[in-house]
Amino acid sequence: DGGITQSPKYLFRKEGQNVTLSCEQNLNHDAMYWYRQDPGQGLRLIYYSQIVNDFQKGDIAEGYSVSREKKESFPLTVTSAQKNPTAFYLCASSRGRNDGYTFGSGTRLTVV
Amino acid sequence: GIQVEQSPPDLILQEGANSTLRCNFSDSVNNLQWFHQNPWGQLINLFYIPSGTKQNGRLSATTVATERYSLLYISSSQTTDSGVYFCAVDGGANNLFFGTGTRLTVIP
Repeated sequence: DGGITQSPKYLFRKEGQNVTLSCEQNLNHDAMYWYRQDPGQGLRLIYYSQIVNDFQKGDIAEGYSVSREKKESFPLTVTSAQKNPTAFYLCASSRGRNDGYTFGSGTRLTVV
Repeated sequence: GIQVEQSPPDLILQEGANSTLRCNFSDSVNNLQWFHQNPWGQLINLFYIPSGTKQNGRLSATTVATERYSLLYISSSQTTDSGVYFCAVDGGANNLFFGTGTRLTVIP
């Protein structure tokens, strides 16, 4: 079955650490996205990539970094510069801009 | 960015009832989607509907792009319909803006 796999489901980070969230898709989609969701809120765009080796900042990119070396993979690194990283992180993909999005099941990141 | 307003913010229904959720947006869009987020956080795409009407089982959606709103209809609601329904729109900047959602609770 095609889909998007995010790992891990739960992640705990100590202050000052960088952590990397994995996102893999086997849908052959060109575009991939990272969103952040805070409790009781909608989703906000962190980064997106429309094609391999290219990515663009979203509304809240500060303190995050990404790479897109393979079509199937779009990992997100939450750096120590992100002051409030505790949130639910969702990865999505689509065939293109004007197409429906498919989401992964998310990673809950908690700073301890 | 585009402003997205969803109403009502909360809705409680008896099983079997029908409901209408509304999404207003502030500018013209070329991408509008409805999602259902279940209690475990999984987001499921219900409709890609920048204009017109679509139906999928007990769910249907209508977008009137010229008047900048979209409606999601749920008929004969079931307890598994509970969760948060999000409307999201893209005005062309490849940034899907999400509303704050409608939290639906269906009671048996």
